Amino acid sequence: DTAVSQTPKYLVTQMGNDKSIKCEQNLGHDTMYWYKQDSKKFLKIMFSYNNKELIINETVPNRFSPKSPDKAHLNLHINSLELGDSAVYFCASSHNAGEDTQYFGPGTRLTVL
Amino acid sequence: GQQLNQSPQSMFIQEGEDVSMNCTSSSIFNTWLWYKQDPGEGPVLLIALYKAGELTSNGRLTAQFGITRKDSFLNISASIPSDVGIYFCADLNYGGSQGNLIFGKGTKLSVKP
Repeated sequence: DTAVSQTPKYLVTQMGNDKSIKCEQNLGHDTMYWYKQDSKKFLKIMFSYNNKELIINETVPNRFSPKSPDKAHLNLHINSLELGDSAVYFCASSHNAGEDTQYFGPGTRLTVL
Repeated sequence: GQQLNQSPQSMFIQEGEDVSMNCTSSSIFNTWLWYKQDPGEGPVLLIALYKAGELTSNGRLTAQFGITRKDSFLNISASIPSDVGIYFCADLNYGGSQGNLIFGKGTKLSVKP
């Protein structure tokens, strides 16, 4: 009965590789988000999708490309991984855009070597 | 843009003690949110505040929306070991069609049994 799930939980990879993180929510929400949490635990928005359409794209390198095949899924693809990409990535969802109650997934810890 | 200053950065307390943490902002807020992140998990909403002066409780947690609309505090009474985690204040970015959360840098709480 997991609400927001992410896979994988841990991802260790070499610099220069391409990797994807998947997110699914079974809450029937229209809006999904990707946040990045750095080593100092600072959480920052990366992207937001509402009904499969991009509505927020913060200053994130082009190497990061979100994809929403349907409103229950928001995947994050990262090209040419760099050391600075190491972080915990959280997916979240809310009923609609602009709602304060957001439900977060358990996070994916990405380590780039 | 909005900036949230959260303090203290960390706290080490004895089980049973009361805890207080606060957030201030450089601009007026319409919403104050308090999220908790358990170790290895994503943040979970604890309390949402919508009006200046509002005082809201959730079990042993109490939060208030400052009258100036530029600050908020969170109190935890009679702390227990499961209170351990990182507490984030947050605001909802209402700009345009955006609805992402803007987080403070967190207060890491450690409780000694």
